Amino acid sequence: QKEVEQNSGPLSVPEGAIASLNCTYSDRGSQSFFWYRQYSGKSPELIMSIYSNGDKEDGRFTAQLNKASQYVSLLIRDSQPSDSATYLCAVNKDGNKLVFGAGTILRVKS
Amino acid sequence: ETGVTQTPRHLVMGMTNKKSLKCEQHLGHNAMYWYKQSAKKPLELMFVYSLEERVENNSVPSRFSPECPNSSHLFLHLHTLQPEDSALYLCASSLVPGSSTDTQYFGPGTRLTVL
Repeated sequence: QKEVEQNSGPLSVPEGAIASLNCTYSDRGSQSFFWYRQYSGKSPELIMSIYSNGDKEDGRFTAQLNKASQYVSLLIRDSQPSDSATYLCAVNKDGNKLVFGAGTILRVKS
Repeated sequence: ETGVTQTPRHLVMGMTNKKSLKCEQHLGHNAMYWYKQSAKKPLELMFVYSLEERVENNSVPSRFSPECPNSSHLFLHLHTLQPEDSALYLCASSLVPGSSTDTQYFGPGTRLTVL
């Protein structure tokens, strides 16, 4: 079992729709969770972090965490073509080690 | 310069060459990291330096040799690489290593091609 799993996609949504990206992790002791966006040929850029169960909102982005289900998600409201990228889920296991999923490709069609 | 910078941005080298990748962080952070990103694979952590001390060496072949002379600079020395080492090499830094809420910020990466 992979430590962090994401559907590779591509996930295609029309402009203005809600994009829902999902991630599961295997280590129940994981404490912090991150979503990075990576455009083709570029480096990962931090979008959001979440540490507690529930929702965390930042502009058009909402991160959701359910530690009991070992599940973290990212919702993007009013999706724009500029949101088209690969979204990486990362889990911090023990302070120094960030484990990444393989990423989900999102395509927003205008 | 702001954030995390990496040089060179692109590097082509032969298998017998020796080269070095450089990373510099301008964020006042205390930890620096090297990651490898190959096509279709997740980011792989290679090395972690916390307060200039190596705290993680993720079973990386000895042809990759890291160096952290101070908290702002990190190098990755390369020698006798293989074509399968071609990848995007990313440097990152973070403020509070060991903290569960520590956040890593990435540099732009070096695209390495080994011929």
